[in-house]
Amino acid sequence: EPEVTQTPSHQVTQMGQEVILRCVPISNHLYFYWYRQILGQKVEFLVSFYNNEISEKSEIFDDQFSVERPDGSNFTLKIRSTKLEDSAMYFCASSETLPRVSEQYFGPGTRLTVT
Amino acid sequence: DQQVKQNSPSLSVQEGRISILNCDYTNSMFDYFLWYKKYPAEGPTFLISISSIKDKNEDGRFTVFLNKSAKHLSLHIVPSQPGDSAVYFCAACSNSGYALNFGKGTSLLVTP
Repeated sequence: EPEVTQTPSHQVTQMGQEVILRCVPISNHLYFYWYRQILGQKVEFLVSFYNNEISEKSEIFDDQFSVERPDGSNFTLKIRSTKLEDSAMYFCASSETLPRVSEQYFGPGTRLTVT
Repeated sequence: DQQVKQNSPSLSVQEGRISILNCDYTNSMFDYFLWYKKYPAEGPTFLISISSIKDKNEDGRFTVFLNKSAKHLSLHIVPSQPGDSAVYFCAACSNSGYALNFGKGTSLLVTP
């Protein structure tokens, strides 16, 4: 069964450093998403991406964040200058079509620890 | 702000019995609702969904009920199995949106 993969599984970084989280969505999917879950809290939407542009973003997704689809398979989330409060589990997801029509498949997540 | 609320952080049920997980929402623009299941060290896995034009959707042992006037939905699992032990997330999205809005989750433990 096709699945979304994410690397690395765990990333430790120092405050102020840049990090790039990587995702390989399911190959025939056209819509891509990033979510995050701070420990003990709910899963929060960050951004959706379609046709090489951001289709929706949340208040969390400020200028410190950016997304890119550098090639036909990868989808990345960059945090330019990490803060302690960026420590969370980051989930990538993809869907074949719009969320109401097809389900979002989630990857296993990258645990980001900012020290 | 908590637009999707799951007020029970945990639930314990005996194997073979019914599990009922509840979810409330506040945003009237939500018109599509989903349940996801999550095991430790894995991402959420889609379970079942329901559109606001329906009040019930069934898939095997899983049934989701929607009460729009009360802004409430519930997930019924019958019969519950030990493998169902996981965290269950309720999620909602609006007609014009891409984002899934999640609740905090309910941890279900099914005991033999």
